[in-house]
Amino acid sequence: DSGVTQTPKHLITATGQRVTLRCSPRSGDLSVYWYQQSLDQGLQFLIQYYNGEERAKGNILERFSAQQFPDLHSELNLSSLELGDSALYFCASSVKAGQETQYFGPGTRLLVL
Amino acid sequence: AQSVAQPEDQVNVAEGNPLTVKCTYSVSGNPYLFWYVQYPNRGLQFLLKYITGDNLVKGSYGFEAEFNKSQTSFHLKKPSALVSDSALYFCAVRDLPDAGNMLTFGGGTRLMVKP
Repeated sequence: DSGVTQTPKHLITATGQRVTLRCSPRSGDLSVYWYQQSLDQGLQFLIQYYNGEERAKGNILERFSAQQFPDLHSELNLSSLELGDSALYFCASSVKAGQETQYFGPGTRLLVL
Repeated sequence: AQSVAQPEDQVNVAEGNPLTVKCTYSVSGNPYLFWYVQYPNRGLQFLLKYITGDNLVKGSYGFEAEFNKSQTSFHLKKPSALVSDSALYFCAVRDLPDAGNMLTFGGGTRLMVKP
């Protein structure tokens, strides 16, 4: 158990809908990262937050957004969902924003029908 | 741009034999390299990392990795494979420092250890 928690574990929704994925980092970690794992794209970095502020952005669609709250938990919002958004979404956390090890949560499996 | 290649989609090895999972990388500066393992329906578990120092890095569950700068490789090894080592293994490189701490992952290698 990495200490990173993600809810929900599974999510089934329809095209055009909006969902929110939640992540709680390990105790004491200030950085949160979001990754998407899909069969065709592999594991891709989406976005990083450090102590409430956006730190880095990867291949994140404009339909997707995230935020990190004062208690350091983070939410990833996915809107206008498409079939191709079906994937496993991982959250990871690290102590700071440098080269520290990232510890991953169990993921949220999203299925868009 | 940083990149990581895992040239083998699958590696098959008999239990008790040594195993190697290959990884090569491309970075513009000093590489920060990581290995993670993913078991079915689980998240990624950290195995080991190379930041600087000794080229042979020891990690969890008896795994080690050898950093080779001239060959730009960071192969994962274990002297004696277990059936329970069967999983999906990912090599990753940390991207440019001014771009945060995001990891760029290889495509993954499925390790199958047969009894």
